[in-house]
Amino acid sequence: GAGVSQTPSNKVTEKGKYVELRCDPISGHTALYWYRQSLGQGPEFLIYFQGTGAADDSGLPNDRFFAVRPEGSVSTLKIQRTERGDSAVYLCASSPRTDYGYTFGSGTRLTVV
Amino acid sequence: KQEVTQIPAALSVPEGENLVLNCSFTDSAIYNLQWFRQDPGKGLTSLLLIQSSQREQTSGRLNASLDKSSGRSTLYIAASQPGDSATYLCAPKGYKLSFGAGTTVTVRA
Repeated sequence: GAGVSQTPSNKVTEKGKYVELRCDPISGHTALYWYRQSLGQGPEFLIYFQGTGAADDSGLPNDRFFAVRPEGSVSTLKIQRTERGDSAVYLCASSPRTDYGYTFGSGTRLTVV
Repeated sequence: KQEVTQIPAALSVPEGENLVLNCSFTDSAIYNLQWFRQDPGKGLTSLLLIQSSQREQTSGRLNASLDKSSGRSTLYIAASQPGDSATYLCAPKGYKLSFGAGTTVTVRA
């Protein structure tokens, strides 16, 4: 596609529920990143994929968070047993290679009530 | 761990003034540095990308400089306009992109 697409754009869920957030990167971009942004702060790194494998998942806050990229294109960020503190904007970005810039999607605003 | 600091945190200027936004980072082992713009409730829009071998990059009224050895980058916006009001984020890239908290700019008409 022309840009990075994230769905849904907004998600409201009840505490304790499971959610999936989807990212469709630019075609051909091998690197894919997930970030989380809380109000008034810069984005914080969650996980980085190079191809199908998670090259760095050190930013995932705990084991309730998991992400996959089974075919090296679309990625899904999965959050189990959601908590109110998970409320944030989840951003996805892709890049064709290490020394290129990132292109970000518009994000998914997750609200846990 | 890369630490990124942006000063000032907020800036309000009258239309027509030039803007100077500062960014400092602790780890100089970077591939490149990007400046992004973020409007309220929106995603990030890339403004400029400076490779580690470059000293500056220009696009229209925007100019960004990079001094990798001292861990500093500066974004200059000439002749500011109300449409420039947004939050500007600096992001050096080593293994991954790291962000500061941003500078929120308000340009008064």
